[in-house]
Amino acid sequence: GAGVSQSPSNKVTEKGKDVELRCDPISGHTALYWYRQSLGQGLEFLIYFQGNSAPDKSGLPSDRFSAERTGGSVSTLTIQRTQQEDSAVYLCASSPILAGSTGELFFGEGSRLTVL
Amino acid sequence: GENVEQHPSTLSVQEGDSAVIKCTYSDSASNYFPWYKQELGKRPQLIIDIRSNVGEKKDQRIAVTLNKTAKHFSLHITETQPEDSAVYFCAAFSGSARQLTFGSGTQLTVLP
Repeated sequence: GAGVSQSPSNKVTEKGKDVELRCDPISGHTALYWYRQSLGQGLEFLIYFQGNSAPDKSGLPSDRFSAERTGGSVSTLTIQRTQQEDSAVYLCASSPILAGSTGELFFGEGSRLTVL
Repeated sequence: GENVEQHPSTLSVQEGDSAVIKCTYSDSASNYFPWYKQELGKRPQLIIDIRSNVGEKKDQRIAVTLNKTAKHFSLHITETQPEDSAVYFCAAFSGSARQLTFGSGTQLTVLP
């Protein structure tokens, strides 16, 4: 596709349920980021994938959060046992990164998660 | 890790005036500093960026300056227009940390 695609665009769930958010990056982009944006807040780094390297998980807020990237392309962010404070917009971005550097991040439209 | 601070959090200017947003960073190894604009309900989009080997970069009404010694960089928008109203985020990338860390954002409002 032409841009970063995320699904679902909106997700409403009950507290305690698990959710999966999907990101399809721009073809050929080796770097993929997940960020979380709470209402009116900045972009909180969650996790970063670069090629076949081990992901940087340092931003994940708790062990309820996990992410994987299959085949160096599609990524899934999973939140287990959701809590109300998990409510936010989850943004995915991809980049044609060079080793030791970075290029422009191209963001998806985001997945808005509401935990009731 | 990297810490990016951004000021002000809100900024209102009259149409035609200039707007300046400032950011500081903590990691001296950071070498790439982009600025993103996020319109209401939209995704963030890159408007300008600067690398650590350059002190200033300009693109039409937008310019960014970088002071590596002081570890701060700024966004300058001249001749502001109502369509410049948005949230602006600065960011810093550290090659060692491999993270792009964002500032907390500045809500810019251009009053007609």
